Amino acid sequence: AQKITQTQPGMFVQEKEAVTLDCTYDTSDPSYGLFWYKQPSSGEMIFLIYQGSYDQQNATEGRYSLNFQKARKSANLVISASQLGDSAMYFCAMRTLTPPIHSGGSNYKLTFGKGTLLTVNP
Amino acid sequence: DVKVTQSSRYLVKRTGEKVFLECVQDMDHENMFWYRQDPGLGLRLIYFSYDVKMKEKGDIPEGYSVSREKKERFSLILESASTNQTSMYLCASSFPAYEQYFGPGTRLTVT
Repeated sequence: AQKITQTQPGMFVQEKEAVTLDCTYDTSDPSYGLFWYKQPSSGEMIFLIYQGSYDQQNATEGRYSLNFQKARKSANLVISASQLGDSAMYFCAMRTLTPPIHSGGSNYKLTFGKGTLLTVNP
Repeated sequence: DVKVTQSSRYLVKRTGEKVFLECVQDMDHENMFWYRQDPGLGLRLIYFSYDVKMKEKGDIPEGYSVSREKKERFSLILESASTNQTSMYLCASSFPAYEQYFGPGTRLTVT
């Protein structure tokens, strides 16, 4: 079974500063993927960044980077130069990358954490 | 851009009614998912489909059923709505092994 833990229910950051959102995970799969999603108050979930367990380098997408520490089972999201529009809920998620034994989609299920509400102050 | 649409943003239904939530995606994705989101509980998977007419139960399927007659459309059915099914419902789609794209969500209230 997979589990995602986000220990920060809420975070505050000043505009233009960097912020780190914590995510730890637990899995027995040797191969897995880690995702971060953003959910503004409008409700839609927006995909931000992806890290594979065998990727040698940490993933980056614009102002987003993923601080992946495999031994610690952590996949923290770093947002640089925060903007007011970054205020939102942020969810960490994971799924196995092990191919399914039989036809079906169960290996493509995402397990989500409970989220962190980020507020960017002007 | 991937587009996932849901039939309603807000819905109010009475206890015992049969409720249909529709989801349509335009990217020819094989996989489609239904989640519910509740404060403090995050997203929980209700059902998913990996092909037309193929489905699997997620973590909380009780009280729900699904239908996928066409590849682009995935319906969530509440056979007899109850107040504890008041929630935000999110649909998503993806190619196998890739990130999921979400619709805008349907906020359902059962009174």
